[in-house]
Amino acid sequence: QQQVKQSPQSLIVQKGGIPIINCAYENTAFDYFPWYQQFPGKGPALLIAIRPDVSEKKEGRFTISFNKSAKQFSLHIMDSQPGDSATYFCAASKALGRLYFGRGTQLTVWP
Amino acid sequence: DVKVTQSSRYLVKRTGEKVFLECVQDMDHENMFWYRQDPGLGLRLIYFSYDVKMKEKGDIPEGYSVSREKKERFSLILESASTNQTSMYLCASSLTRTDYGYTFGSGTRLTVV
Repeated sequence: QQQVKQSPQSLIVQKGGIPIINCAYENTAFDYFPWYQQFPGKGPALLIAIRPDVSEKKEGRFTISFNKSAKQFSLHIMDSQPGDSATYFCAASKALGRLYFGRGTQLTVWP
Repeated sequence: DVKVTQSSRYLVKRTGEKVFLECVQDMDHENMFWYRQDPGLGLRLIYFSYDVKMKEKGDIPEGYSVSREKKERFSLILESASTNQTSMYLCASSLTRTDYGYTFGSGTRLTVV
């Protein structure tokens, strides 16, 4: 059973656009929601993370929006650039537990 | 800079062979993880370890085993490789159980023929 459901599987946007990747979860015990970014030939790297006591977190051009009642969270990339082309994974964890990853979204940003 | 190093970037093995994938971290991290990554399936956890000589099954442990004799080294073992174990294998580590900032290695692409 998939603990974290991620969509879409792939996404193509023009440079400057705002791609949005969505994730949903069922387990209300989850209390940490990170996003990882993976470039071809590399392992995933932590991009940004949020805890459920806030509804939004920004780091540079990357924003997480969190809706606790809907059990959903999303990643927005402002002013997207070709260098943002990568695979993005959302994840969730509960206290002292392991991370559960979504299936990933392959983002392509055209120049 | 902190590092998770996987011993091989590419491996080709024959069906039925015993395969060892090695992972070493230089960050004195307590926790280590083995994932496999397949297109459309994302990252699936095979085994993890919160301490030396300790291991826990992840979501897809069948056909795999692990060894952690030293804190910095976590080995994944395919007892008898099969073609459905052809995949990208990723090792990761984290400092403590309350630290969810995993550091991943660059992966080992294993092909079983």
